[in-house]
Amino acid sequence: SQKIEQNSEALNIQEGKTATLTCNYTNYSPAYLQWYRQDPGRGPVFLLLIRENEKEKRKERLKVTFDTTLKQSLFHITASQPADSATYLCALGRTGGGNKLTFGTGTQLKVEL
Amino acid sequence: EPEVTQTPSHQVTQMGQEVILRCVPISNHLYFYWYRQILGQKVEFLVSFYNNEISEKSEIFDDQFSVERPDGSNFTLKIRSTKLEDSAMYFCASRPGSVAYNEQFFGPGTRLTVL
Repeated sequence: SQKIEQNSEALNIQEGKTATLTCNYTNYSPAYLQWYRQDPGRGPVFLLLIRENEKEKRKERLKVTFDTTLKQSLFHITASQPADSATYLCALGRTGGGNKLTFGTGTQLKVEL
Repeated sequence: EPEVTQTPSHQVTQMGQEVILRCVPISNHLYFYWYRQILGQKVEFLVSFYNNEISEKSEIFDDQFSVERPDGSNFTLKIRSTKLEDSAMYFCASRPGSVAYNEQFFGPGTRLTVL
């Protein structure tokens, strides 16, 4: 069955450092992969989308890579700030049908001063 | 900036009762979704809706669940006879109609508590 794994343990880093979160998947061939931010008790907020034919995408301090051979995506936040503290979700999708998203369990990031 | 809205923010109900969760997707979006998240667990897909019909549904979305777009702006999820295990955050999401745009935009959620 499909499996999407993210770092299960919380990631604590110092302000100003680069945070790197991983998303690994098996038994799935996504057409695209999305990263979301979720704060406690809130809905997921869209951050970045990368397609299967793209290797890397950037947006401001965010960078995502996508390796369909390794079945892995890496999500980087450079110059991290305490305000970046949240849970980050990766979600995989395929075109066609309802374009549903299949989510990973998320990684909690804490940026400390 | 346009956003998805959901009401109520919190709904408490007795087991066996019917509940209706409401969503107003982003105007001019054509694809609508419901997801749920049980406390401490991952976000799970329930159903997708396009052109006034269900395009895909998960195993969770059984006969107790239904969706409707009663007018041009609202999108509702009905649970006919709630169970304790239906307690969760329910998120509505919407997406533009173009195949080039796959980003889904989520609402703030409705916390459903079944007693």
